[in-house]
Amino acid sequence: QVQLVESGGGVVQPGGSLTLSCTASGFTFSSYAMHWVRQAPGKGLEWVAVVSYDGGNKYYAGSVKGRFTVSKDNSKNTLSLQMGSLRAEDTAVYYCARGDSSLRPHFDYWGQGTLVTVSS
Amino acid sequence: QSVLTQPPSASGTPGQRVTISCSGSSSNSGTNYVYWYQQLPGTAPKLLIYRNYQRPSGVPDRFSGSKSGTSASLAISGLRSEDEADYYCAAWDDSLSGVVFGGGTKLTVL
Repeated sequence: QVQLVESGGGVVQPGGSLTLSCTASGFTFSSYAMHWVRQAPGKGLEWVAVVSYDGGNKYYAGSVKGRFTVSKDNSKNTLSLQMGSLRAEDTAVYYCARGDSSLRPHFDYWGQGTLVTVSS
Repeated sequence: QSVLTQPPSASGTPGQRVTISCSGSSSNSGTNYVYWYQQLPGTAPKLLIYRNYQRPSGVPDRFSGSKSGTSASLAISGLRSEDEADYYCAAWDDSLSGVVFGGGTKLTVL
């Protein structure tokens, strides 16, 4: 069965860095685009980034462009999100989600989420 | 301010039919597929509708999607108490080169 398990969340000071990981199993990871979606406490869903099935194409939300980097290791079935210059408004539950063969928001499987808190 | 516009709330009584709208523009819902997600409290979102009107296996046919021009709708018929949740629409935006979500609609079953 398809499983996505995020890790790496925690408390970080403003201006700091953090790397999230998403370990995938139960499907051919190299065939699917992967996304990060976040949700601030009590707020709606916000898309963060996508990486194409082969890792060759990456797109970011304007709010994180230049600060976050998404990567995909098809040999290790792992998706990563390197987050830098963190701000209080980056505080959220971060979900990894499986896309499809394109970049469309066809999120058919989600992880359980990992909480990132940016606070001094 | 979300790129896709949804009503913040909707409500209905058990058995009723409710509709949630999602309005966008030519760069997103006007030319790209719309997707719908259901999020129950404390859980990850769940895919309800893909490619405007398709239902994943396991999603009851009480849920249906439609799209006309730049607007899409999610209809829930035979409303049940377990349908009480937040609902989000999403689409790819060609101008932003990214995914955009609606602000979400909180559905209350009275």
